[in-house]
Amino acid sequence: EVQLVESGGGLVQPGGSLRLSCAASGFTFSNYWMNWVRQAPGKGLMCVSRIKSDGSSTSYADSVKGRFTISRDNAKNMLYLQMNSLRAEDTAVYYCVRGGWPLDYWGQGTLVTVSS
Amino acid sequence: DIVMTQTPLSSPVTLGQPASISCRSSQSLVHSDGNTYLSWLQQRPGQPPRLLIYKISNRFSGVPDRFSGSGAGTDFTLKISRVEAEDVGVYYCVQATQFPHTFGQGTKLEIK
Repeated sequence: EVQLVESGGGLVQPGGSLRLSCAASGFTFSNYWMNWVRQAPGKGLMCVSRIKSDGSSTSYADSVKGRFTISRDNAKNMLYLQMNSLRAEDTAVYYCVRGGWPLDYWGQGTLVTVSS
Repeated sequence: DIVMTQTPLSSPVTLGQPASISCRSSQSLVHSDGNTYLSWLQQRPGQPPRLLIYKISNRFSGVPDRFSGSGAGTDFTLKISRVEAEDVGVYYCVQATQFPHTFGQGTKLEIK
């Protein structure tokens, strides 16, 4: 069974940093692109970042470019999102999602709240 | 970025009746490899999204056959042949032809 379990969310002040983690199991992690998708409270979905199966290619939404960094450790079956210079508008549930296409399995999400 | 527009944004449906959701993209979703990377997701209340349909019309594993997808180019449709209580939630179309993947605004399906 495919499982994606996010952790690392919490309350952070504007300008602060957080590192999200996603533990993957039930599939060959190193074979898949992985993504972070976020959902602001009561709002729709937005693709934040993605990373190729071997980590050689990454992409970011314009709104997070230069502030967020996606990475992975295929030996540990882990996906990460380093978030710096956080803003109030980054407040959202962050989902770890498998797939280049389609986005086929989603974790339960971890809530990031940016507030003073 | 490709803009995805869904209609309607809210759909009250009687149990056992059909439902239909439309999704239009701001440009063709046909990829250079010939595939059209249009998917449909379901998000039940308090749950993460779940993949229902991929590449326009392919049902994902475990998805009931009352769900079907159709369309081409820029216009796509999700149909539920007979709505059940467990179908309540928000439905999103999403394109993966071009990064960033972009989502429709969501259509809230509720029971009358």
